[in-house]
Amino acid sequence: SQTIHQWPATLVQPVGSPLSLECTVEGTSNPNLYWYRQAAGRGLQLLFYSVGIGQISSEVPQNLSASRPQDRQFILSSKKLLLSDSGFYLCAWSYSAGAEAFFGQGTRLTVV
Amino acid sequence: QKEVEQNSGPLSVPEGAIASLNCTYSDRGSQSFFWYRQYSGKSPELIMFIYSNGDKEDGRFTAQLNKASQYVSLLIRDSQPSDSATYLCAVEGFLNYGGSQGNLIFGKGTKLSVKP
Repeated sequence: SQTIHQWPATLVQPVGSPLSLECTVEGTSNPNLYWYRQAAGRGLQLLFYSVGIGQISSEVPQNLSASRPQDRQFILSSKKLLLSDSGFYLCAWSYSAGAEAFFGQGTRLTVV
Repeated sequence: QKEVEQNSGPLSVPEGAIASLNCTYSDRGSQSFFWYRQYSGKSPELIMFIYSNGDKEDGRFTAQLNKASQYVSLLIRDSQPSDSATYLCAVEGFLNYGGSQGNLIFGKGTKLSVKP
């Protein structure tokens, strides 16, 4: 069966510090991978998606970036965090475009 | 701008009643529709998907789709306190910056509270 791992579960970071969140998927090959952010009072916002190694599409301009160094690994990064980067970050995977997405347990990021 | 609209609630129903959750979407080209349940502090989990007009039943859950009206709903029969959560509607669509594939666009969710 397929599983998705995301870590850490919680993170408190000072403004201006770097960020690295990692996500890995097991039990499937060449998944579509996604990073979403859920801020208080707002819906799930798609940040990045990837259809293959090294292929990253950004949906929202921001100071975040994503990378996919391996088929089942997806990384969300920032060089300098802003207060507005606080939120619940969710990694997800799907078999194909437009198909149901399966989420990791999420990372609650607080920038102070 | 592609949008998915849901009543934020909270929707409060007594235990054993039918809960009705509604969702409208703006992209007429959308072909896939999903309902997720999200408990407080947890990640969303898929509970149903529907692709064709009409009803789809799975246990106590029924999804209803009307593409002409751009409307999708979720009915929960015999509601239980454990059903208390936020329900997210997701619709396949092409997002603001184009891109080469459809992705899931989520509504903000409806908070459901089932009272014992």
